[in-house]
Amino acid sequence: AQTVTQSQPEMSVQEAETVTLSCTYDTSESDYYLFWYKQPPSRQMILVIRQEAYKQQNATENRFSVNFQKAAKSFSLKISDSQLGDAAMYFCAYRSGRSGGGADGLTFGKGTHLIIQP
Amino acid sequence: DAGVIQSPRHEVTEMGQEVTLRCKPISGHNSLFWYRQTMMRGLELLIYFNNNVPIDDSGMPEDRFSAKMPNASFSTLKIQPSEPRDSAVYFCASRPGRMVSGNTIYFGEGSWLTVV
Repeated sequence: AQTVTQSQPEMSVQEAETVTLSCTYDTSESDYYLFWYKQPPSRQMILVIRQEAYKQQNATENRFSVNFQKAAKSFSLKISDSQLGDAAMYFCAYRSGRSGGGADGLTFGKGTHLIIQP
Repeated sequence: DAGVIQSPRHEVTEMGQEVTLRCKPISGHNSLFWYRQTMMRGLELLIYFNNNVPIDDSGMPEDRFSAKMPNASFSTLKIQPSEPRDSAVYFCASRPGRMVSGNTIYFGEGSWLTVV
């Protein structure tokens, strides 16, 4: 079974600074997808960014970018120019590239609570 | 387009009562997922459907939990009888076909259940 580990329960960053959230995963598969979801106090799960394992280029969405290291099974999220609205729980998630059985759902890490200091 | 719609948003019920959570997936999505989030266990996949058919229910904790998807636009998660340890946020999520949108799963706003 795949596992996702987020080793930082909480991170704090000054507004306008850059912060990196860590995520590692364990899998024997070569085809998979990785995601970062944001959960603000409202509890809604919002997709931040996704990465296909077969793509070597790191995904980028505006101020959010990832550092995907497939050999190291690492998938960190970098938030540039942090804003107060970025304060939330951030979850790293894995999805198998296989179909059927239990492969279609997401496996989540425990989350990192990001605090933005004004 | 409307996102995944869940109801109720919040529910407080007494132990032993039946609870029904409802979900309307995004139109055109053919996979639907039910997740549960607690402080202790994080986000857990309970069950998911492909084309209205339950594919994997291995995450359903007990026989007290059941889920149905009678058609492509509606699903329910029922707990009968409810217990205090069922208190959690229950998320419904949906996904389009596998080759669409990079396999992204879109979540509803969640149903916050408290069993007293």
